[in-house]
Amino acid sequence: GEDVEQSLFLSVREGDSSVINCTYTDSSSTYLYWYKQEPGAGLQLLTYIFSNMDMKQDQRLTVLLNKKDKHLSLRIADTQTGDSAIYFCAENLGVNRDDKIIFGKGTRLHILP
Amino acid sequence: EAGVAQSPRYKIIEKRQSVAFWCNPISGHATLYWYQQILGQGPKLLIQFQNNGVVDDSQLPKDRFSAERLKGVDSTLKIQPAKLEDSAVYLCASSPERRTNYNSPLHFGNGTRLTVT
Repeated sequence: GEDVEQSLFLSVREGDSSVINCTYTDSSSTYLYWYKQEPGAGLQLLTYIFSNMDMKQDQRLTVLLNKKDKHLSLRIADTQTGDSAIYFCAENLGVNRDDKIIFGKGTRLHILP
Repeated sequence: EAGVAQSPRYKIIEKRQSVAFWCNPISGHATLYWYQQILGQGPKLLIQFQNNGVVDDSQLPKDRFSAERLKGVDSTLKIQPAKLEDSAVYLCASSPERRTNYNSPLHFGNGTRLTVT
């Protein structure tokens, strides 16, 4: 079946690294995404990783993909107050499934002073 | 470029009433999506349009929900009659092409928050 699981909450001190984890079930996923949602706003694409990659780095963001375990993580280095938001993991099910995108329930990141 | 525009931002109605939401996608984007985001959950796809044709409406509760994109640009989503469980944020998204990939990611609007009392 199609399912994306994430922990619901994460608290991190300002300046520390945040690591948000996600597991997915569909082995045919082509892309995996991290979206950020700030209060009262829509989802904003943060980064993506192609399913044949195991790591992608983009400034303060590092995405790690373990395809064998179907585990995806997002690391935010030097977490700042502006990073406070809900982070959604999502998978693209591929061309045979019309590129349908399945979202997790989101992880709320809270920044401690 | 201007983003995806949605209106209204908020709507409060009583159960059994009707409501309509409007979406204007990014100019030139062929594909338009309506998502329902219930509090504490991720977005769930309701319907996907490619230009003015429906690609996927398998998750749309068709007994009460309807959507149209008559000229392949703006879209409206209607609920008639509304139920308490329809309380959610309704997000519109668009993408340049039918294939959503790194070249054609989803761009979301800010959503319409619906409260059904």
